[in-house]
Amino acid sequence: SQQGEEDPQALSIQEGENATMNCSYKTSINNLQWYRQNSGRGLVHLILIRSNEREKHSGRLRVTLDTSKKSSSLLITASRAADTASYFCATDGTGTASKLTFGTGTRLQVTL
Amino acid sequence: NAGVTQTPKFQVLKTGQSMTLQCAQDMNHEYMSWYRQDPGMGLRLIHYSVGAGITDQGEVPNGYNVSRSTTEDFPLRLLSAAPSQTSVYFCASSYDRGLGQPQHFGDGTRLSIL
Repeated sequence: SQQGEEDPQALSIQEGENATMNCSYKTSINNLQWYRQNSGRGLVHLILIRSNEREKHSGRLRVTLDTSKKSSSLLITASRAADTASYFCATDGTGTASKLTFGTGTRLQVTL
Repeated sequence: NAGVTQTPKFQVLKTGQSMTLQCAQDMNHEYMSWYRQDPGMGLRLIHYSVGAGITDQGEVPNGYNVSRSTTEDFPLRLLSAAPSQTSVYFCASSYDRGLGQPQHFGDGTRLSIL
């Protein structure tokens, strides 16, 4: 079964706007990661946040983690057309050693 | 470095045929895994390996076999292809046996079973 569920399933914004997508998961985790997938390509790692961290930044990306609510959010600031892609969260549960579980993804469309 | 290389990129099979999807990485990563991606379902783990000679099942292992004779290679075998196995298959690797490291993905194999 899917551990993570992204929300919204699809998001359409204009270039320059911020994009926020959310991930909810079901069980306790060690780490949570975010990935990007361009059409027809493999997934590319964006950022990893550990269970004892609450916020992390990387360039235009900001990730938050709330373990009490079992949720995470990915914020992309000042979006660009090149950010158009699907975004996935992935978790490794404390009881599922060596197994990474992906959510269903958010499709982001950034228009000019 | 080539990273994670998957071959073939596309394949069409008939029901009942067998085939092997190849995955190779040149980063000396211990951890390798196979996922399938179906519309609306994200990625689901098929099999994984934490090192040469060690493999284990993921979420959807039925109909697939794996082996890990070398650190570099992690082939996925379809024993008797079924239409339900039509999917996009991704191989991934990472340095750590645990999952506190980024996964590196190949570009996928698009498989159709007729």
